[in-house]
Amino acid sequence: DIVMTQSPLSLPVTLGQPASISCRSSQSVVYTDGNTYLNWFQQRPGQSPRRLIYQVSNRDSGVPDRFSGSGSGIDFTLRISSVEAEDVGVYYCMQGTYWPPTFGQGTKVEIE
Amino acid sequence: QVQLQESGPGLVKPSETLALTCTVSGGSISPYFWSWIRQSPGKGLEYIAYMNSSGDAGYNLSFRSRITMSVDTSKNQFSLTLSSVTAADTAVYYCARDVSYGDYRFDPWGQGTLVTVSS
Repeated sequence: DIVMTQSPLSLPVTLGQPASISCRSSQSVVYTDGNTYLNWFQQRPGQSPRRLIYQVSNRDSGVPDRFSGSGSGIDFTLRISSVEAEDVGVYYCMQGTYWPPTFGQGTKVEIE
Repeated sequence: QVQLQESGPGLVKPSETLALTCTVSGGSISPYFWSWIRQSPGKGLEYIAYMNSSGDAGYNLSFRSRITMSVDTSKNQFSLTLSSVTAADTAVYYCARDVSYGDYRFDPWGQGTLVTVSS
């Protein structure tokens, strides 16, 4: 299975400041069709996860534009341009290129 | 709007079979894909399996032959069974909907049901 490794695992942030989470896959997650099926999910406290970003950099509907994704090959980044209180939670990357889909271990974002 | 609700035993003894059901309300089982995902402190989020209303399915081979999924369109439900459970199967089990194979938007998710494996 593809192993997804996130860093850091804990990220204290100041309101209004940017935040960045890294995700690395154990091998390239570029599919034979040329697309990279790398997703980012947010899980707020007490809630089920929800997807924020698909195919590396595309925001799902309703996702604020302060969230952005980038990367290629094996290295990917989720950025929050200006952290708000509602962004507290755990963030997961997930590859959907290879079966089975696999998640990173999660990065906990909290307000300092 | 579509809502999903997992139901299950809560507590299962080691070596027994876990059976979970996800009830879909506010919408139809067809023509979507339905997934089971679990979350445990030890292994984080783990994708288990999917099935569509036609019965096409994909199982995470990490579970080997322990898992079975089924869909009951007449009841608007889908189910998961996991046999020979151990403490490592203790987790919150989620069901989720996808609009197509490999989309992985998982919208919506159920609220999750905690299953504890213990004697």
